[in-house]
Parts: sequence; C-alpha cells; structure tokens
Amino acid sequence: DTGVSQDPRHKITKRGQNVTFRCDPISEHNRLYWYRQTLGQGPEFLTYFQNEAQLEKSRLLSDRFSAERPKGSFSTLEIQRTEQGDSAMYLCASSPGGFGRSGNTIYFGEGSWLTVV
Amino acid sequence: AQSVTQLGSHVSVSEGALVLLRCNYSSSVPPYLFWYVQYPNQGLQLLLKYTSAATLVKGINGFEAEFKKSETSFHLTKPSAHMSDAAEYFCAVIYSYSGAGSYQLTFGKGTKLSVIP
Repeated sequence: DTGVSQDPRHKITKRGQNVTFRCDPISEHNRLYWYRQTLGQGPEFLTYFQNEAQLEKSRLLSDRFSAERPKGSFSTLEIQRTEQGDSAMYLCASSPGGFGRSGNTIYFGEGSWLTVV
Repeated sequence: AQSVTQLGSHVSVSEGALVLLRCNYSSSVPPYLFWYVQYPNQGLQLLLKYTSAATLVKGINGFEAEFKKSETSFHLTKPSAHMSDAAEYFCAVIYSYSGAGSYQLTFGKGTKLSVIP
C-alpha cells in the first residue's frame, strides 16, 4: 500500500496558462475524490469518481476545470486559463468503497500546490 | 445544508497539558464524523472516525473523541500534549449515504494547535 500519490507537488504558473495535476489512488480503491484547500480554510469538495464514472461535481468546479479518470485508475485534474483565485492546494483522495456501517476511510494524498502569478 | 463548526482557529497548550479541540455539527440525522490532522505542507491524515458504533472513539497518537448527540458535538481530546502534536486539525462530517452529495466530506475551517515547551 503506497498511499495516494500526487504530481506535481508544486506548480507555479502564469495567469491564463493551463495546468494539469495527476493523482494515483491506492491500488484497488474504486472511489477517487478531488478537494481544494485555500489558506486558512478546510478542504472543499470538487468532484468524485466511482471507477471511471464521474458521479458528482461541486458548484466550485467551474467550466475551466475538468477531471477525468479514463481507466478507473489514475485521475487528472486540468485547469484551463488559470486565474489568481485558483491558487490553492488540490488534494486527491481515495477510498475502497462507499460508506455503510463500516464507514470506509478516505485516504488523502499530500496535495499539489498551485500558485498563479 | 450540513455544516461543521470548529471553535477556535488557534489553540495553544503547554507540553503535557490536556488538548481539547472543539467540533460541533448541524444535523437532524446521524452523521459519520471524522478528525483529520494536517502537518505543514502535507496532506490529511485520519486520526479517528465515528460510524455509529461506540460513542467514545479512540484514534492514533493517543487522541480520542466522544460523540454527544444531545450536544451535536464531537470534541477531540488528548490527555497530555506532545511537541509533535503541533499541527492543524480538521473535523469533518458525512451525513447521508445515497443520492447527490453522499460521499462528500464537509470540513470545518480547522484549528491550529501550538504546543509550548
């Protein structure tokens, strides 16, 4: 179990450029989540996949944001035409299943920091 | 809408003193509740979770939390603070298990814990 892996860990980009983040979940976890965390705030939900299907998207996920999980394994989060307000840490997480009485744990990666200048 | 309130954005304790971090949730249905810890420039690590079994939940690193339905609280405690406990702590909740929003963790704004030698 190597944990949730995210790449790159840090990205500095100019306003208007596109950026892409990659997430490799824990092996065999069928659920994958993206969250965004700004300074002084808790993480906020962006989107969620079950296998390759994107099942939920937050209102925070504007049209400039797109996430994919093409083969039900790794996922990418792309931000087009970045704005300064996109500066944040983007956290990926995965879990082995849904929540029932067992309350499956959601495991987080170390995050990808984005700075838009 | 579900929400989590963490009282105190910053808490300072002396090494060896009791740690108490407060979390209140709003809900009319039983929630799943979680405490996560975040060290600087790192992702989130699960400390403990409440999934409607025992109301007193023990977690890692000597932390525990008690679910009190009458007070809608899930405060995190540790009898004796250690320097390595200095970090930011997030309380999070999941309310319902079907339909839209099922698997979104809703986080509080976090409490930064400082431990004074």
